[in-house]
Amino acid sequence: SQKIEQNSEALNIQEGKTATLTCNYTNYSPAYLQWYRQDPGRGPVFLLLIRENEKEKRKERLKVTFDTTLKQSLFHITASQPADSATYLCALDTSFGNEKLTFGTGTRLTIIP
Amino acid sequence: DAGITQSPRHKVTETGTPVTLRCHQTENHRYMYWYRQDPGHGLRLIHYSYGVKDTDKGEVSDGYSVSRSKTEDFLLTLESATSSQTSVYFCATSGGADLRNEQFFGPGTRLTVL
Repeated sequence: SQKIEQNSEALNIQEGKTATLTCNYTNYSPAYLQWYRQDPGRGPVFLLLIRENEKEKRKERLKVTFDTTLKQSLFHITASQPADSATYLCALDTSFGNEKLTFGTGTRLTIIP
Repeated sequence: DAGITQSPRHKVTETGTPVTLRCHQTENHRYMYWYRQDPGHGLRLIHYSYGVKDTDKGEVSDGYSVSRSKTEDFLLTLESATSSQTSVYFCATSGGADLRNEQFFGPGTRLTVL
């Protein structure tokens, strides 16, 4: 069966360090993978998209890697700040370009001052 | 932010009653989605629409129906609500002119079925 796993339900990181979140999937061949941020009581907000032919994508302090052989994406936040505390969701294209996503269950990240 | 509103934002209802949730967008996006979010399950797709009057089922569509008579509105109906449908419901849209594939989410509707 198809499955998306995010490494841990919760992750605590010291302020200033790099936070690394993992998204693993099985039985998919996604054309792209996305990362979203969700704050309590709010809808997810898009952060980054990486396509199957891209190894790495950056946006300010965020970096995403995509290894289609390992079926894994890593999401890094460098120089983490308390304001980065949120739940982060990975989402895979599972519809061969028909604009449908399947989401992981998320990792709740807490940056400790 | 994409202009996506959901109504109502909170609703408490009784088992067996019909419930309709509304999603309204002002972005002229082609695709619209309804998700539910539950602890331990993450976001799960209920139904989606790829155009006016064009809809399809998602992963957890049993007990739900949808309609899209205009580009901007996507309705989710629970014909006869059950306690297992207590959840937070999110609407999302995608398919803007730049076709960047990202989805834009509404603020959510918290539904409690007693």
